[in-house]
Amino acid sequence: DIQLTQSPSTLSASVGDRITITCRASQSISRWLAWYQQKPGKAPNLLITKASSLESGVPSRFSGSGSGTEFTLTINSLQPEDFATYYCQQYSSSFPEYIFGQGTKLEIK
Amino acid sequence: QVTLKESGPVLVKPTETLTLTCNVSGFSLSNGQLGVSWIRQAPGKAPEWLAHIFSNDGKSFSKSLKSRLTISKDTSKSQVVLIMTLMDPVDTATYYCARMFSTTGFWTHWGQGILVTVSS
Repeated sequence: DIQLTQSPSTLSASVGDRITITCRASQSISRWLAWYQQKPGKAPNLLITKASSLESGVPSRFSGSGSGTEFTLTINSLQPEDFATYYCQQYSSSFPEYIFGQGTKLEIK
Repeated sequence: QVTLKESGPVLVKPTETLTLTCNVSGFSLSNGQLGVSWIRQAPGKAPEWLAHIFSNDGKSFSKSLKSRLTISKDTSKSQVVLIMTLMDPVDTATYYCARMFSTTGFWTHWGQGILVTVSS
């Protein structure tokens, strides 16, 4: 079965910082990876699909990259509303199940 | 405006069967391009995909939970129903329904979620 491992699990940063979150797949998923942001008590919100395609309405300070087994989510110039938990999710048709990473909690330093 | 809203019991006893309903608006379940999944999230944990129903009524399930799950839809009522049998305290979670376009594999619209607690 495929697994997604995110690192770090928790990240402390300040407003204005640039941060990077990594998602590693146990097998190649080409570019079939999405990123979500989740705030407490809310449903996940889709940010990025196909590893690097920004969803409509998502600020350009968010970006994604990677392919195969290693992917990154970068947020430039952190804003107060960006402090949340981030999840990666694979959707490769090579694997029959939709799997999420365990999450990265982005905290205010 | 696309909306999804989950409804059902917030408390079930161990061994009972859970039935959740997702009421959708702003799109039709008969639309050949749209499907709906159920996804749950235990407190403090990552989301876990449970089941999906495609526009053509095809279904797919989480391998580990397949034997306990049923998913169906009533297009005339704009509802998608999830049935989960043999509930256990470890099934305590917020249950979400979410919309997927075609077979893209990701969810663009989510319901607000319903917290279901399993306890005697």
